[in-house]
Amino acid sequence: DTAVSQTPKYLVTQMGNDKSIKCEQNLGHDTMYWYKQDSKKFLKIMFSYNNKELIINETVPNRFSPKSPDKAHLNLHINSLELGDSAVYFCASRLGHQNTEAFFGQGTRLTVV
Amino acid sequence: GQQVMQIPQYQHVQEGEDFTTYCNSSTTLSNIQWYKQRPGGHPVFLIQLVKSGEVKKQKRLTFQFGEAKKNSSLHITATQTTDVGTYFCAGPLLIYNQGGKLIFGQGTELSVKP
Repeated sequence: DTAVSQTPKYLVTQMGNDKSIKCEQNLGHDTMYWYKQDSKKFLKIMFSYNNKELIINETVPNRFSPKSPDKAHLNLHINSLELGDSAVYFCASRLGHQNTEAFFGQGTRLTVV
Repeated sequence: GQQVMQIPQYQHVQEGEDFTTYCNSSTTLSNIQWYKQRPGGHPVFLIQLVKSGEVKKQKRLTFQFGEAKKNSSLHITATQTTDVGTYFCAGPLLIYNQGGKLIFGQGTELSVKP
């Protein structure tokens, strides 16, 4: 049983298209995140949800729209994809208080051509 | 805002040599976490340090948390090819008592030459 699962693992698409990435966790966590990892490996937080409520939006373009239908799911929809959106996107989850570790999904490698 | 800086960005070592990565926060941390990401993989939690001056060991890995709880280090003794990957430190920032976020350092990418 995978604790945090993301789909798809790879996504190749053309500029201007709209795409979605899905994430599900079966750990009973109340907090979920989307991180973007660029080619230099930097993990930049994009969004954070706590109990389905958006609590952090890190100045991400509004072409990116997260959605959390319930505590176990956090999806990411991207409109009008641009070349600069190419990266690996990681979903992660943890229990909301400070002294807990994060569990990451396998990542979605998005390539915009 | 809160920042977590990590150095060096890259480290190339010969197998058997030691390796250290350093992490510094602009603010005092309640705890610091370390993660390892293998090439092509995802970050995996290694350890968490909570107390000022804390030192923890995992086999050849030694983790330290500074007295002021603003810096930390990870030291690997006698590196092996299985140690290859990117090592991240991360500090939590609580937001309105609602989970908050983990702020990651830039990571140190370790390569080990056999």
